[in-house]
Amino acid sequence: DAKTTQPPSMDCAEGRAANLPCNHSTISGNEYVYWYRQIHSQGPQYIIHGLKNNETNEMASLIITEDRKSSTLILPHATLRDTAVYYCIGTNTGNQFYFGTGTSLTVIP
Amino acid sequence: NAGVMQNPRHLVRRRGQEARLRCSPMKGHSHVYWYRQLPEEGLKFMVYLQKENIIDESGMPKERFSAEFPKEGPSILRIQQVVRGDSAAYFCASSPQENIQYFGAGTRLSVL
Repeated sequence: DAKTTQPPSMDCAEGRAANLPCNHSTISGNEYVYWYRQIHSQGPQYIIHGLKNNETNEMASLIITEDRKSSTLILPHATLRDTAVYYCIGTNTGNQFYFGTGTSLTVIP
Repeated sequence: NAGVMQNPRHLVRRRGQEARLRCSPMKGHSHVYWYRQLPEEGLKFMVYLQKENIIDESGMPKERFSAEFPKEGPSILRIQQVVRGDSAAYFCASSPQENIQYFGAGTRLSVL
């Protein structure tokens, strides 16, 4: 599975877009990129995933670079409830997710 | 459609006792995963099971830990002779196939 690198923490003003980067330079051609978040000590919540193309759903957008070495999760209008630890995960099997330490996002009023 | 159900939510055990954690996957999901999260750390994969089969247990400690997912009933993560270092949050996830994993609220195990 691809090793991912994320900044340890980020701040974002409420109402603004939050852009969370992830580096996965060792990702292979059949590895998906998944994003999850964990609010306080709750169970991780699935956000979005993709392989090559950019993806969008009701929660977020995922932008994957053409060389697939990095991606950005975009929360278009951050709210206080988006404060959480965000994990970027690379996997080709879908069975063993490596969560790493993630990015702690704080949304500021 | 109910989510992944884990119980108990909190479990307190004394050193040397057994801990039994239960996980009921989402309806229609036949894949179950267990993860452990120590304080201030990310989740660590433990084991992946399908009905009556252990598919990948590469993250399971070699001793005292076992997991099962019987044909009927919930998946069980069993920790025998618990020690203080076993204190952690244990999360279960399920999926309909090997893709998106949906997580339960976790069981917080405290070993006195």
